[in-house]
Amino acid sequence: GAGVSQSPSNKVTEKGKDVELRCDPISGHTALYWYRQSLGQGLEFLIYFQGNSAPDKSGLPSDRFSAERTGGSVSTLTIQRTQQEDSAVYLCASSSWADTQYFGPGTRLTVL
Amino acid sequence: KQEVTQIPAALSVPEGENLVLNCSFTDSAIYNLQWFRQDPGKGLTSLLLIQSSQREQTSGRLNASLDKSSGRSTLYIAASQPGDSATYLCAVSRSNYQLIWGAGTKLIIKP
Repeated sequence: GAGVSQSPSNKVTEKGKDVELRCDPISGHTALYWYRQSLGQGLEFLIYFQGNSAPDKSGLPSDRFSAERTGGSVSTLTIQRTQQEDSAVYLCASSSWADTQYFGPGTRLTVL
Repeated sequence: KQEVTQIPAALSVPEGENLVLNCSFTDSAIYNLQWFRQDPGKGLTSLLLIQSSQREQTSGRLNASLDKSSGRSTLYIAASQPGDSATYLCAVSRSNYQLIWGAGTKLIIKP
């Protein structure tokens, strides 16, 4: 079946602009995760959804970051007033309850 | 605070060799441990998941072991092939979400 998809695959934006990243999880997966991978650094957990609720938002780097999930499916990660340090690859993953996380191809964000 | 370390950071071996990648973690209270591979410009592919109650998992030429008490896991790759070249990432979960990641081992298999 179809895997996790993310859009856009690449996004170049100017400092101070808002961006919205989208994740379509595998159908039926109740859990959805957002991670960030900065150049030369490891993966960083951002937020986790179980259904439409986010029990843990502690990984969000600042209040400029927010995420929502609707209908237990699609999720959007919004970054307001982007800064150059936000440049990274943003990865989304989904899983069934307590199971292997399956990752999308990521969105490469470049803030000029 | 859970920290995950992977050694070596990079490894280059001739095709056909068996090899071992290492992962260590500081807090043994983990829910599970996963090994992933990441190809350049692509997403992550899950290789093996070991639940905290398990000692090892096998998939084809891959075998992952887990020693929770000592905070160690190894990924064994048998009869390596050039297509195995990738970055291998280890991640642990203290609950059924939030993965804590190692920095990865970049593996190059020389034809």
